[in-house]
Amino acid sequence: NAGVTQTPKFQVLKTGQSMTLQCAQDMNHNSMYWYRQDPGMGLRLIYYSASEGTTDKGEVPNGYNVSRLNKREFSLRLESAAPSQTSVYFCASSDRQTSYGYTFGSGTRLTVV
Amino acid sequence: AQRVTQPEKLLSVFKGAPVELKCNYSYSGSPELFWYVQYSRQRLQLLLRHISRESIKGFTADLNKGETSFHLKKPFAQEEDSAMYYCALRPNRDDKIIFGKGTRLHILP
Repeated sequence: NAGVTQTPKFQVLKTGQSMTLQCAQDMNHNSMYWYRQDPGMGLRLIYYSASEGTTDKGEVPNGYNVSRLNKREFSLRLESAAPSQTSVYFCASSDRQTSYGYTFGSGTRLTVV
Repeated sequence: AQRVTQPEKLLSVFKGAPVELKCNYSYSGSPELFWYVQYSRQRLQLLLRHISRESIKGFTADLNKGETSFHLKKPFAQEEDSAMYYCALRPNRDDKIIFGKGTRLHILP
């Protein structure tokens, strides 16, 4: 039972490079989320997708784009990476019909140099 | 505005001593409340939900609507409790979860 799977686990980018972080869930959840985690800042929501075919901005969307490819997959793209985007990125999913909150992926540790 | 406040960034407690991680929220309705735990370099995991009123790994949390608090407690700390703890609120089932900034719990030997 994989739950939420994120790839890659680690990545180093040069300023200006682009990359896509992948997230997939096998729990048939409708909602998916991308967060970044920074020391002293807690978790900040970047984008979310309440259901397949919809995406919405969160608290810190600038510099990112997302695609809800299907019900299982929700990717996060950095078009032109900046050092300020150095962070740990977590994907999460949820079934809003239950009271179990979010299931998180294992995270992607991204460094932009 | 809906908000979750965890006043302590870092809490250091000796092994065997009681632990209390504070969480206060601002919301006028009846939200769902959660505690998540993140062990070193691992994913966040759900620890407790107020709706289930359960005890997990010796931790309990009681929702106090009058004080708008959901403090996490454990009577006797263990070294394996060292982790980052996040309190979280969901106003209703259709809403996104709002996280506090987290408290790092450090259990001293």
